Amino acid sequence: EVQLVESGGGLVKPGGSLRLSCVASGFAFSDHSLNWVRQAPGKGLEWVSFISGSSSYIYYADSVKGRFTISRDNAENSLYLQLNSLRAEDTAIYYCARDYGGNWRPSWFDQWGQGTLVTVSS
Amino acid sequence: EIVLTQSPGTLSLSPGERVTLSCRASQSVTSSYLAWYQQKPGQAPRLLIYGASSRATGIPDRFSGSGSGTHFTLTISRLEPEDFAVYYCQQYGSSPALTFGGGTKVEIK
Repeated sequence: EVQLVESGGGLVKPGGSLRLSCVASGFAFSDHSLNWVRQAPGKGLEWVSFISGSSSYIYYADSVKGRFTISRDNAENSLYLQLNSLRAEDTAIYYCARDYGGNWRPSWFDQWGQGTLVTVSS
Repeated sequence: EIVLTQSPGTLSLSPGERVTLSCRASQSVTSSYLAWYQQKPGQAPRLLIYGASSRATGIPDRFSGSGSGTHFTLTISRLEPEDFAVYYCQQYGSSPALTFGGGTKVEIK
């Protein structure tokens, strides 16, 4: 069974930092590209970032470019998102989402974690 | 950036009814690279359809997708109680700048 389990969310002050993790199991981790998708409270979905299986291709939404950094450790079956210079508008549930294959760009997301909540507030 | 507009925002329907949800794109979506997701309260989204019309693994055949260019639809042939949820479309034709629609909520009448 495929599982994606996020952690690392919490309450942080504006300008602060946080590191999110997503541990995967049940599939060949390095064969799949991965994404972070977020959802502000009561709002819709917003794609945040993508990383290919070998980390050769990395993309960010304009809203987070220069502040967030995606990475992965295939030996540990883990995906990460470093969030810096956080703003109130970054408050959201952050989901780890598996891309259907090992593409060089994001496509559709066939497996999702349950998400971790990040709250940015003073 | 391709903007996806979903309509209506909310639909009030009864179990057993047929429903068609609309997703319109601000420009043509390359190769019908469009997916649909279902999200229930407190849960993560679940993939229903990819490539505009291909059902994901384990999705009942009462769900079907169609469309091309700038207009896509998701049809549920007969609503079951578990189908009341929010539905999102997502385009990946202009990837990596992929985008989601604002969602359509299907609620019990």
